[in-house]
Amino acid sequence: NAGVTQTPKFQVLKTGQSMTLQCAQDMNHEYMSWYRQDPGMGLRLIHYSVGAGITDQGEVPNGYNVSRSTTEDFPLRLLSAAPSQTSVYFCASSPQGRGQGGYGYTFGSGTRLTVV
Amino acid sequence: AQSVTQLDSQVPVFEEAPVELRCNYSSSVSVYLFWYVQYPNQGLQLLLKYLSGSTLVESINGFEAEFNKSQTSFHLRKPSVHISDTAEYFCAVSAYSGGYQKVTFGTGTKLQVIP
Repeated sequence: NAGVTQTPKFQVLKTGQSMTLQCAQDMNHEYMSWYRQDPGMGLRLIHYSVGAGITDQGEVPNGYNVSRSTTEDFPLRLLSAAPSQTSVYFCASSPQGRGQGGYGYTFGSGTRLTVV
Repeated sequence: AQSVTQLDSQVPVFEEAPVELRCNYSSSVSVYLFWYVQYPNQGLQLLLKYLSGSTLVESINGFEAEFNKSQTSFHLRKPSVHISDTAEYFCAVSAYSGGYQKVTFGTGTKLQVIP
């Protein structure tokens, strides 16, 4: 059981470049989300999805796009990378769908992104 | 809206000493509460959670947390820490909002266990 798999683990981008961070889960979880982690700021929600075909913005969505065509995959796209997007990115999933809760999240191991 | 406050950004403690990591939350509705642990260069792992019932919840590695509704707190404690407990700990609150459970994380507390 792989859980939540994120690729790549490390990435260096130049300002203005675009890229996609991959996230896949094999637990048939309805809910998937992307967080960024910055020192002293905890985890901030970028985008989330409560099921295939349904996505919504979180706390810090600007500069990022997502889509959810399958239950398993939830890629995060950086449209035009900026140094302010240097961060560690985590994907998380949960069995919870609309109205459900209390399960907690399963996190991936993270992608460390540097934008120069 | 809900929020989580972890007042201590770093907590140094000697090995085999007790520790308490503080977490306070605010919410206008009933909540679920969680503690996560993050070891260096890893993702977060669920440590324990409070959903309902007994206000004292325990993890398999000796941590416990007590839900105190009147003080809106969910402090994490361990009576005797080990070097392997060195990690960052995040408190999180989940509350029903807009049709689903919305989760908010605290800013984290780094526990440094000193040999």
